[in-house]
Amino acid sequence: RKEVEQDPGPFNVPEGATVAFNCTYSNSASQSFFWYRQDCRKEPKLLMSVYSSGNEDGRFTAQLNRASQYISLLIRDSKLSDSATYLCVVNLGNDMRFGAGTRLTVKP
Amino acid sequence: DAMVIQNPRYQVTQFGKPVTLSCSQTLNHNVMYWYQQKSSQAPKLLFHYYDKDFNNEADTPDNFQSRRPNTSFCFLDIRSPGLGDAAMYLCATSRDPGNEQFFGPGTRLTVL
Repeated sequence: RKEVEQDPGPFNVPEGATVAFNCTYSNSASQSFFWYRQDCRKEPKLLMSVYSSGNEDGRFTAQLNRASQYISLLIRDSKLSDSATYLCVVNLGNDMRFGAGTRLTVKP
Repeated sequence: DAMVIQNPRYQVTQFGKPVTLSCSQTLNHNVMYWYQQKSSQAPKLLFHYYDKDFNNEADTPDNFQSRRPNTSFCFLDIRSPGLGDAAMYLCATSRDPGNEQFFGPGTRLTVL
């Protein structure tokens, strides 16, 4: 089993749609969690940290389910500019593990 | 603006010819990381420095070495690049282990 798993997609959605990604992790002792966004041939950029209580930043909502060992990202009212690959990152002490990413394309 | 800088942005080298990639940061972060990312794959952690303490990933080939002469700079040395080492190399920093990481723009390495 991979340490961090994501559905690679692609997810193709129309503008204005709501889309959700899940990410599962294997190590129950994992301590911190993040969602990054990566545009084609660019570096990953932090989208948001994921807190135990869940957190929201504008159209983006992240949630953590420790019992089932997954994190989720919800994007509401999708924009064309949301098209990117979304990387799930799980931290265990000094080890940061990236998922392979979920590709999202938002179409007009 | 505080940032992570990588030079060069594009590097072409010949098979077996040593190459050094550089990373600098103005964030004054304690931790610096080197990742290798190939097309459509997750970034793969090669190693990281927590201050002066070097931490190598178990599966990082000996061909890859790193130096951190001071807080601001970190180098990735590839002693004998092979065709399989062609990739994007990403440098990242974090204030402490487990905190969010900030990435540089990457160096795209081509091996001829």
